Amino acid sequence: GNSVTQMEGPVTLSEEAFLTINCTYTATGYPSLFWYVQYPGEGLQLLLKATKADDKGSNKGFEATYRKETTSFHLEKGSVQVSDSAVYFCALADSNYQLIWGAGTKLIIKP
Amino acid sequence: NAGVTQTPKFQVLKTGQSMTLQCAQDMNHEYMSWYRQDPGMGLRLIHYSVGAGITDQGEVPNGYNVSRSTTEDFPLRLLSAAPSQTSVYFCASSRNVGQDEQYFGPGTRLTVT
Repeated sequence: GNSVTQMEGPVTLSEEAFLTINCTYTATGYPSLFWYVQYPGEGLQLLLKATKADDKGSNKGFEATYRKETTSFHLEKGSVQVSDSAVYFCALADSNYQLIWGAGTKLIIKP
Repeated sequence: NAGVTQTPKFQVLKTGQSMTLQCAQDMNHEYMSWYRQDPGMGLRLIHYSVGAGITDQGEVPNGYNVSRSTTEDFPLRLLSAAPSQTSVYFCASSRNVGQDEQYFGPGTRLTVT
C-alpha cells in the first residue's frame, strides 16, 4: 500500500545551518506530494507542494523537488532560523485523494 | 474569516463517557475531515465528508461517529470513550478532495482515564 517514510527526529541545528529532512514514499502512479508544518500548540499548515515529477515546491525559503526515480521529496533550507523550530510532515495524496502522512520530524534550531 | 475552529481545546473523560468534539469552518469548503495525532505515528484519518449529507470512514473509524448536516459543521462523537482514544484530534477542511490545501483547526487534546 501507499506509505510515507520520514527521517526520525529530533533534528537539532544551529541558526544559519543548512537543513535537509528526508522523505521517501511508496505509491502507485504519480501522487501529489506535500510538506506541512506544525508550530508548537497549533494545527498543521501547508508549507509547499509538488504535483508531478521534477516539480519543485518552494515557500519561505524551503524547497523540495519531486524525484520520481528515487521516490523522494526531501525538504531543504539554506539557512535556518530559530523561528523554523516546528514539526514537519511529509504527505502524499493517494488515488482516492486522501492524504497519507509521514510520522513527522521535529526540528529544533538553537540560537 | 475565522478559518477552522474546534472546541474544546482540552478535555478529560472517564472511560465509558461520551462526548462530541465540535468543528466548524467558514470558508464554504466541501471537504472536511477528522484526524487523530499520536506520538510517532503522524496523522491518521478517522472520518471524512465530501459535502453536506455525505460521510465516509477513514483509516481508524471504530469508536467514532460523524454527521454533516451543514457545509459548515462536522462534529465528531465519541460513543463510549476508551483510554486508547487519548490523543490530539484535528479537524481539517479543503475546497475539494485531492490536491487542494487542507486547513487545520488548532486541535483538541483529549485524555481518557
